[in-house]
Amino acid sequence: EVQLVESGGGLVKPGGSLRLSCGASGFTFSTYSMVWVRQAPGKGLEWVSFLSSSSRYKYYADSVKGRFSISRDNAEDSLYLQMNSLRVEDTAVYYCARVRSITGIGGWFDPWGQGTLVTVSS
Amino acid sequence: SYVLTQPPSVSVAPGQTARIPCGGNNFGSETVHWYQQKPGQAPVVVVYDDNDRPSGIPERFSGSHSGNAATLTISRVEAGDEADYYCQVWDSRSDHWVFGGGTKLTVL
Repeated sequence: EVQLVESGGGLVKPGGSLRLSCGASGFTFSTYSMVWVRQAPGKGLEWVSFLSSSSRYKYYADSVKGRFSISRDNAEDSLYLQMNSLRVEDTAVYYCARVRSITGIGGWFDPWGQGTLVTVSS
Repeated sequence: SYVLTQPPSVSVAPGQTARIPCGGNNFGSETVHWYQQKPGQAPVVVVYDDNDRPSGIPERFSGSHSGNAATLTISRVEAGDEADYYCQVWDSRSDHWVFGGGTKLTVL
């Protein structure tokens, strides 16, 4: 069974840092691009960051560029999101997801993990 | 990036057909994907690449896309279809993914 499990969420003060992890199982992790998507309480989905299978390509939403950093360890089947200079508006459930694509460009997200809650508050 | 617009809510009686629109600016050349999210759960893709359905998703779910308009159609709606639905595209101009604001489907 393909499974993604996030961890590392919690309460952090504005300006603080947090590192999220996403453990993958049930598929060959090293051959798939991955993304982070977040959802603020009661709000919609917002794509945060993308990382290609070899880590060659990294993309970030404008709202997090320069503050967040995505990485992966293919030997450990794990994806990470280092979040620095956190703001109140970064409060959200953060999901990791596998990218699927017929053409190898763009694509959709399937499956998603269960999410981990990040709360930024003083 | 593209801006995708969805109505906040759609209501439909059981057994009827629900149509959830997704409009925007100039995304006609991109393929559209649709996600279902039930309360307290992670999103699940129900339609990808405009009109393809993942295994395990009922045939009642279908998608269409023409120009700058896409539609998720749910036939013979059931109470279990009540959820939030999001459209999504990849913006090839900026290498960003964009979601619509989401539509809450209520089954009357």
